[in-house]
Amino acid sequence: EAQVTQNPRYLITVTGKKLTVTCSQNMNHEYMSWYRQDPGLGLRQIYYSMNVEVTDKGDVPEGYKVSRKEKRNFPLILESPSPNQTSLYFCASSQQGPTEAFFGQGTRLTVV
Amino acid sequence: ILNVEQSPQSLHVQEGDSTNFTCSFPSSNFYALHWYRWETAKSPEALFVMTLNGDEKKKGRISATLNTKEGYSYLYIKGSQPEDSATYLCAYNFNKFYFGSGTKLNVKP
Repeated sequence: EAQVTQNPRYLITVTGKKLTVTCSQNMNHEYMSWYRQDPGLGLRQIYYSMNVEVTDKGDVPEGYKVSRKEKRNFPLILESPSPNQTSLYFCASSQQGPTEAFFGQGTRLTVV
Repeated sequence: ILNVEQSPQSLHVQEGDSTNFTCSFPSSNFYALHWYRWETAKSPEALFVMTLNGDEKKKGRISATLNTKEGYSYLYIKGSQPEDSATYLCAYNFNKFYFGSGTKLNVKP
């Protein structure tokens, strides 16, 4: 089954404790991206990657890192999480070009 | 940061009503406009990807039109059903993706 898999689905952590949210897709998509969703603000792009070893900042990259060592995986790293990073996070993938994006199930992160 | 605006923010209709929403985006350097349907506790799912001015797409009772010269797209739902209740997102795609904040539709039986 074609899918984008994020883990974990839910995470409560403390300020400053490094964490990684994994994202994996099995559709051989070149384009992958991370979003955060906050009430009233819609989805905002954090980082995106157009292919292996090619990553670029979205609109809200501060406090996040990503890597794209393999085509299928695009982890989101929070080196020192802060409470303002409490949010719902989505990973998505798509083919290059104007094609639909497939979203993961979401990760609800709470930083206390 | 590009501005993508959706209106209305929320909409309450009765079952059987037809409805429409608007997505406004920058009219210069257009590449693609996406529509997604997002049900509570689920992930957004693609409805349409539109690239050409004047494009019109249809999926069942849902259709969308695109005007790239003036920078807007309309999403129409004919004969709304309770299962259409969801947030409808549009996204302007120009390398990055710029999402609007969505229109939340509630269809009452």
